[in-house]
Amino acid sequence: GAVVSQHPSWVICKSGTSVKIECRSLDFQATTMFWYRQFPKQSLMLMATSNEGSKATYEQGVEKDKFLINHASLTLSTLTVTSAHPEDSSFYICSARVGGASQFFGPGTRLTVL
Amino acid sequence: GDSVTQMEGPVTLSEEAFLTINCTYTATGYPSLFWYVQYPGEGLQLLLKATKADDKGSNKGFEATYRKETTSFHLEKGSVQVSDSAVYFCALSVEHGNKLVFGAGTILRVKS
Repeated sequence: GAVVSQHPSWVICKSGTSVKIECRSLDFQATTMFWYRQFPKQSLMLMATSNEGSKATYEQGVEKDKFLINHASLTLSTLTVTSAHPEDSSFYICSARVGGASQFFGPGTRLTVL
Repeated sequence: GDSVTQMEGPVTLSEEAFLTINCTYTATGYPSLFWYVQYPGEGLQLLLKATKADDKGSNKGFEATYRKETTSFHLEKGSVQVSDSAVYFCALSVEHGNKLVFGAGTILRVKS
């Protein structure tokens, strides 16, 4: 079946530094990738939608300069949290899909900002 | 706006017990409805879905029926197993395949 990986699975960084999270579709080419954020005991919140080769579409309230998304190829999208602060600590999840098919989710990345 | 409400957990059951996890939704338009499952250390997996009223989604012994009149999509299983222990998310999409709106998730723990 379709597999989506994320790297790293967890990361701890100092406040003010930037962190890059990778999302890869391993056995299919994803025309669209999605980035979600999940707070403890809360639902996944869509942050942005990215299509290969074009700029990401951000949801209302998500700072595009804070959360940089690059969908450089059909198998890779990256999320960079710039100048991270403790309030950015969260669980970040990506998903990928081909055309109008269902989304396939990665295992998530736990970010802790000290 | 669109939203999904599901019962709070954790839900703790003995093996072979009957499972119901309630899910209700609010949506503009005509949504598709989904149940996703997340096993420990893994990504969310689509469990089942329904795209129109009265449709029943089913998979691995789990079922859910799209009830437009009650705006509900409750998840049921007649006999749970320890291996069903996971977090279950109800979700909707008003644009097929796009913009999933998730409920908060319900932790299910099944004891042997």
